[in-house]
Amino acid sequence: DQQVKQNSPSLSVQEGRISILNCDYTNSMFDYFLWYKKYPAEGPTFLISISSIKDKNEDGRFTVFLNKSAKHLSLHIVPSQPGDSAVYFCAASDNTDKLIFGTGTRLQVFP
Amino acid sequence: DAGVTQSPTHLIKTRGQQVTLRCSPKSGHDTVSWYQQALGQGPQFIFQYYEEEERQRGNFPDRFSGHQFPNYSSELNVNALLLGDSALYLCASSSGSEAFFGQGTRLTVV
Repeated sequence: DQQVKQNSPSLSVQEGRISILNCDYTNSMFDYFLWYKKYPAEGPTFLISISSIKDKNEDGRFTVFLNKSAKHLSLHIVPSQPGDSAVYFCAASDNTDKLIFGTGTRLQVFP
Repeated sequence: DAGVTQSPTHLIKTRGQQVTLRCSPKSGHDTVSWYQQALGQGPQFIFQYYEEEERQRGNFPDRFSGHQFPNYSSELNVNALLLGDSALYLCASSSGSEAFFGQGTRLTVV
């Protein structure tokens, strides 16, 4: 049972435009959500997080939106840069420090 | 700060053998979690150690075991290796909400 789903395995965006990565979850006990970025041969790198008491969190070019009623979150990257090309993982936690990951979305930003 | 370090980076083992992977957490972190990432999948939680005790465990068989030392470093042991155990094994340390990951150990079972 996949509790965290990233239904788009890949996304291609032109440099300077907005990248929107989506994530859906099924477990209503999740109260903390994170986005990680992963380059080949490296471990995931923490990007941004959001608590379930908020609906938006912003950090520079990265903004995460949370819609609790729809059990949906999204990561917006504006403007997208070629260095953003990587695999992005959505993860969720139910306050036990255990992270449940989605299957990832491969983002490619082209010039 | 060296961050989370894992060793070795790559490992090839034969089916049926045993393997030990090692992790040093980020400075100041007292909780270590291990994840398995199969090809094309997201990381899957194996177990978590805190104060030298296994605090949580994911859906992995008893062939997977671990240990945490007083300095918070940790080991992951896998016995009776199967071909399906081939994956990237990630260690994450935390002391609060965000988990920081090491670069992983790529295990290949042949």
